Amino acid sequence: QKEVEQNSGPLSVPEGAIASLNCTYSDRGSQSFFWYRQYSGKSPELIMSIYSNGDKEDGRFTAQLNKASQYVSLLIRDSQPSDSATYLCAGGGSGGSYIPTFGRGTSLIVHP
Amino acid sequence: DTAVSQTPKYLVTQMGNDKSIKCEQNLGHDTMYWYKQDSKKFLKIMFSYNNKELIINETVPNRFSPKSPDKAHLNLHINSLELGDSAVYFCASSPGQGSSNEQYFGPGTRLTVT
Repeated sequence: QKEVEQNSGPLSVPEGAIASLNCTYSDRGSQSFFWYRQYSGKSPELIMSIYSNGDKEDGRFTAQLNKASQYVSLLIRDSQPSDSATYLCAGGGSGGSYIPTFGRGTSLIVHP
Repeated sequence: DTAVSQTPKYLVTQMGNDKSIKCEQNLGHDTMYWYKQDSKKFLKIMFSYNNKELIINETVPNRFSPKSPDKAHLNLHINSLELGDSAVYFCASSPGQGSSNEQYFGPGTRLTVT
């Protein structure tokens, strides 16, 4: 069973701090990883994708991928209360065997 | 313009009934998906179609039957509804079927079976 695992949280950080969200995956064949943000009662919204080892930055968000350790993370700098949501990590196998697999999500609370 | 739309947004029905959920995307994507998100927020893929062809069919009761009349539409029909079917069902689309494809989700349909 191919799995993507996340700590369900909640992760609570003060406004302005760095929030660090982590994800591990079991399928070594996974090539691509995605972070989605889901506000309560809303649908998942893509915020970052990462395909190569290393860091990828987009505004206040940085995704990190370490394929050797099968580890993906998302850093949110200068966290704002509006960042409070559940963050879903997603990955999957490669090529024709790709089946999107989501983690259970980490709840992030940014308090003023 | 809504990229991925679903109807209805809410669906309340009794056990044993048959219901359908419709999904449409105007992004020009080739691949569409149905996901189920349970009360614990776990998002699990059910089906995927690429250009009207079924490519992913996860372990789902055969009471659930997807149908894709064209690549912009993917509908989900559920027969003999059960209490355990209560969940939020999300439709999504992506440009292609490979692992590099980002997915765009519809607003969800909250199904409640009583």
